[in-house]
Amino acid sequence: AQTVTQSQPEMSVQEAETVTLSCTYDTSESNYYLFWYKQPPSRQMILVIRQEAYKQQNATENRFSVNFQKAAKSFSLKISDSQLGDTAMYFCAFLLNSGGSNYKLTFGKGTLLTVNP
Amino acid sequence: KAGVTQTPRYLIKTRGQQVTLSCSPISGHRSVSWYQQTPGQGLQFLFEYFSETQRNKGNFPGRFSGRQFSNSRSEMNVSTLELGDSALYLCASSLGISRRGTGELFFGEGSRLTVL
Repeated sequence: AQTVTQSQPEMSVQEAETVTLSCTYDTSESNYYLFWYKQPPSRQMILVIRQEAYKQQNATENRFSVNFQKAAKSFSLKISDSQLGDTAMYFCAFLLNSGGSNYKLTFGKGTLLTVNP
Repeated sequence: KAGVTQTPRYLIKTRGQQVTLSCSPISGHRSVSWYQQTPGQGLQFLFEYFSETQRNKGNFPGRFSGRQFSNSRSEMNVSTLELGDSALYLCASSLGISRRGTGELFFGEGSRLTVL
């Protein structure tokens, strides 16, 4: 079974600064996907960024980028130029690629990020 | 394109009652998953359906059940409610992992269940 660990329950950052959220996972598999999801207060969860395990290049989406270290089983999220709208709970998630027949995401416990003005 | 729609958004039940939650996925999405979200346990996988078949089930008692209809709409049912069933129940739809799908889940706003 896979596990996902987010060791930072809460973090805060000043507007316009950079913050990094940590995530580690445990799996014996080699073909999988990793995701960061964002859940703003009282709003629905949306995808921030995804990474395919077979790709060495780190994914980026505008101000969001990841540092994917496959050997270390680490998948951190960096948010640059933090904005007030980035305040949310962030979840790291793991999806095993078993050809679509075992479609189950394993989530970490989440990191509550607060961006201060 | 309409997103994932969950109904009802809020509901209050008493112990011993049963509840049915509904989820309409994004048009064209055949995979529908359900997750339970609580402050203590976080997000826990309940089950996943694809083309009316349950492909995966999480570690929940038999009181939790679900189904998917031919139009991909899904329902989940919880019988004999307990206080610990109070949670936000999230539905998510997906194209899955394929040439068309990227593995991304699209979530609804959730149904918040309070059991008294």
